[in-house]
Amino acid sequence: DAMVIQNPRYQVTQFGKPVTLSCSQTLNHNVMYWYQQKSSQAPKLLFHYYDKDFNNEADTPDNFQSRRPNTSFCFLDIRSPGLGDTAMYLCATSRERPGGSYNEQFFGPGTRLTVL
Amino acid sequence: AQKVTQAQTEISVVEKEDVTLDCVYETRDTTYYLFWYKQPPSGELVFLIRRNSFDEQNEISGRYSWNFQKSTSSFNFTITASQVVDSAVYFCALSEAGSNYQLIWGAGTKLIIKP
Repeated sequence: DAMVIQNPRYQVTQFGKPVTLSCSQTLNHNVMYWYQQKSSQAPKLLFHYYDKDFNNEADTPDNFQSRRPNTSFCFLDIRSPGLGDTAMYLCATSRERPGGSYNEQFFGPGTRLTVL
Repeated sequence: AQKVTQAQTEISVVEKEDVTLDCVYETRDTTYYLFWYKQPPSGELVFLIRRNSFDEQNEISGRYSWNFQKSTSSFNFTITASQVVDSAVYFCALSEAGSNYQLIWGAGTKLIIKP
């Protein structure tokens, strides 16, 4: 089945210790997103890739970086995690429609990150 | 300004009852899309429906139905004969041509179905 896969599903890291979260997709979608979702809140977009074009949200901290080496894979790097970065991180994909609009986003299962 | 309002923070009903989740949106674009997503306790966001601004037809999918009314800027979601497995947080979202179609999320409604 075509899907969005995230690894690991659970990650515990120490304050200040870099961590990388991964996302892969078999949907062949050209747009990939990273969201942060804290408890009892809606997802918050961190950035997205349109093909290889990187689009950062204005309020995404510099501590968060991303890489997309190919269509299928996208990584979220947190260079120096703080306690406030404890959250669920969701990867999503979508396919651009003719005319510029995007189809619905399909989400992976998420990675629950805990920073101690 | 909040563009998607889900006024119901939490709803609790007994199994087999019908329940409606409200969603009110605000936009100046004439072209936009509305979505509903389900987030069960496992955490994965599951896409339920996408509706564009030019299609006001209501939709039914099994026990789920959606009522889109542009006159009141609402896109409400009804679950008929609710089941325990429907327990989840439900998010309504908006994407606008003027915002490069990024999703604008409501705060979510936590639905609890009691057996």
